[in-house]
Amino acid sequence: GAGVSQSPSNKVTEKGKDVELRCDPISGHTALYWYRQRLGQGLEFLIYFQGNSAPDKSGLPSDRFSAERTGESVSTLTIQRTQQEDSAVYLCASSLVAGQGTQVDEKLFFGSGTQLSVL
Amino acid sequence: LAKTTQPISMDSYEGQEVNITCSHNNIATNDYITWYQQFPSQGPRFIIQGYKTKVTNEVASLFIPADRKSSTLSLPRVSLSDTAVYYCLVARRRDDKIIFGKGTRLHILP
Repeated sequence: GAGVSQSPSNKVTEKGKDVELRCDPISGHTALYWYRQRLGQGLEFLIYFQGNSAPDKSGLPSDRFSAERTGESVSTLTIQRTQQEDSAVYLCASSLVAGQGTQVDEKLFFGSGTQLSVL
Repeated sequence: LAKTTQPISMDSYEGQEVNITCSHNNIATNDYITWYQQFPSQGPRFIIQGYKTKVTNEVASLFIPADRKSSTLSLPRVSLSDTAVYYCLVARRRDDKIIFGKGTRLHILP
């Protein structure tokens, strides 16, 4: 596909259930990000994958949240024992990190997000 | 990681030129400046990126003074459809994550 694809687009679940959100990045993009956006708020960083490096998990709000990425392909974000405060739009973005040395020239491409509602 | 500061919100009218300024006092020598636009119920999308002086594309212009401690996104002749949140980011080191600030909520009035 031409863009970042996320599924499902909407997910309604009951408190305490586990959910799995999927992101298909643009082919060839080495970097992948997950963000959370609550209604009317800014983007909250969750996790960052870059190539074969260990992911930066510093934004995950609790141990109920985890994410995996298969090589430079699909990523899944899993939320266990969902709580009502987990309700938000979960956005995935990918990029092809360019530039030389420590300088980067990076443009993020976002998916349409997954609207998660925990009842 | 350079911290950015931009107005929380702005109002303007259709047909006007809108300028949104972002401060980034501790920008590093090799950092790029990037702006994103987010419409309601959508993910952000890239609109423009620059390093110095002026960059223009079909959507906007980006003005960067010589000291690079700020940048101004200019939207010519805005319409109602330009109502969105605009985020200013300063490019990171290769191994750093990208953190979005709160952005500027632009509201265009008829």
